[in-house]
Amino acid sequence: GAGVSQSPSNKVTEKGKDVELRCDPISGHTALYWYRQRLGQGLEFLIYFQGNSAPDKSGLPSDRFSAERTGESVSTLTIQRTQQEDSAVYLCASSLTAGGAFFGQGTRLTVV
Amino acid sequence: KQEVTQIPAALSVPEGENLVLNCSFTDSAIYNLQWFRQDPGKGLTSLLLIQSSQREQTSGRLNASLDKSSGRSTLYIAASQPGDSATYLCAVRTTDSWGKLQFGAGTQVVVTP
Repeated sequence: GAGVSQSPSNKVTEKGKDVELRCDPISGHTALYWYRQRLGQGLEFLIYFQGNSAPDKSGLPSDRFSAERTGESVSTLTIQRTQQEDSAVYLCASSLTAGGAFFGQGTRLTVV
Repeated sequence: KQEVTQIPAALSVPEGENLVLNCSFTDSAIYNLQWFRQDPGKGLTSLLLIQSSQREQTSGRLNASLDKSSGRSTLYIAASQPGDSATYLCAVRTTDSWGKLQFGAGTQVVVTP
């Protein structure tokens, strides 16, 4: 596609529910990143994919968080048993291996 | 471990003045350095990408320099406008850590009319 697409753009969920956030990277981009940004805070790294493998998942905050990537394309970030502290904007970016990164507009997650 | 620092954290200038934003990094083994802009409640917009072999990149009123040996990059914005008000972030991609992007905390810029 023309850019990185994330869906949904907004998600409101009840505490304890599971949510899935989707990222469609730019076609051909081998690297894919997930970041989290809490209100008024900086970017927090979650996980990095190179192809379908995740060589760096050191930023996932707990075992409630998981992510996968298939076909060297779409990635899904899943949060199980959501908590209020999970409320944030989740940003996805993609790039060629050593190229510039391009970000999607993010998914704003609100846990009530 | 790569650490990226941006100074100052916040900056306010009158319209027409030039902006100078600084970014420093601790590990010079990088593929590239990228400057982004983030408007409140929005995603990140890429401004300039400097590959490790380059010294600078220019786009319109923006110019970014890279001194890999000293671990520094500077973003210059000429003749600032109120529309330049945003948070500016730099990110480096290191050759270890599988090329993960490492971000600075950003510089929040306000340009007053």
